[in-house]
Amino acid sequence: DTEVTQTPKHLVMGMTNKKSLKCEQHMGHRAMYWYKQKAKKPPELMFVYSYEKLSINESVPSRFSPECPNSSLLNLHLHALQPEDSALYLCASSQEAPGQGTYSGNTIYFGEGSWLTVV
Amino acid sequence: GQQVMQIPQYQHVQEGEDFTTYCNSSTTLSNIQWYKQRPGGHPVFLIQLVKSGEVKKQKRLTFQFGEAKKNSSLHITATQTTDVGTYFCAGQGNYGQNFVFGPGTRLSVLP
Repeated sequence: DTEVTQTPKHLVMGMTNKKSLKCEQHMGHRAMYWYKQKAKKPPELMFVYSYEKLSINESVPSRFSPECPNSSLLNLHLHALQPEDSALYLCASSQEAPGQGTYSGNTIYFGEGSWLTVV
Repeated sequence: GQQVMQIPQYQHVQEGEDFTTYCNSSTTLSNIQWYKQRPGGHPVFLIQLVKSGEVKKQKRLTFQFGEAKKNSSLHITATQTTDVGTYFCAGQGNYGQNFVFGPGTRLSVLP
């Protein structure tokens, strides 16, 4: 069972809507991630937060806006999305951010994901 | 940039047969991790390999890290229907970069 909790599990939104995906972990992990996964593809990194600060933005369009209110929470705000943004959005966490701490501390634990459909 | 490839893309086996997926990186890795994703599910961490030539076993699963730390394999002995899913490798470069996921190998097991 994953210890990374994501809500909602399913979301259908129109292209003019504003919605948010939420993620929570209570493992004391210092790094949190958002990944996007399309069908039959590997997870694709979007953002990395390390110690509540955005450390990596993989050139993600501004219609996706991440937020890290505290060390346990991670949000992804969605606005003016396109149908091609429909995908599984995975939140993940690791004890340390890549390049920090030990290799085992970089192990990534995924949440169950939020299935997003943009209509 | 670092690229990670996996072969085969798909594998269909009869229950009880063995299965192997191979992961190859364009650059030397500091470590590699393997994940399993069931249909409709999320990636679940299986194992991490760090040392050159390392071999680790988990019941019917055997993981190897190549001597040059550029390739890895996952071997499943006597597959079961519960092994169905996509197996991803994810490699981390020597400079603490983010993990790069391979495209995955999708395993189907026929009862």
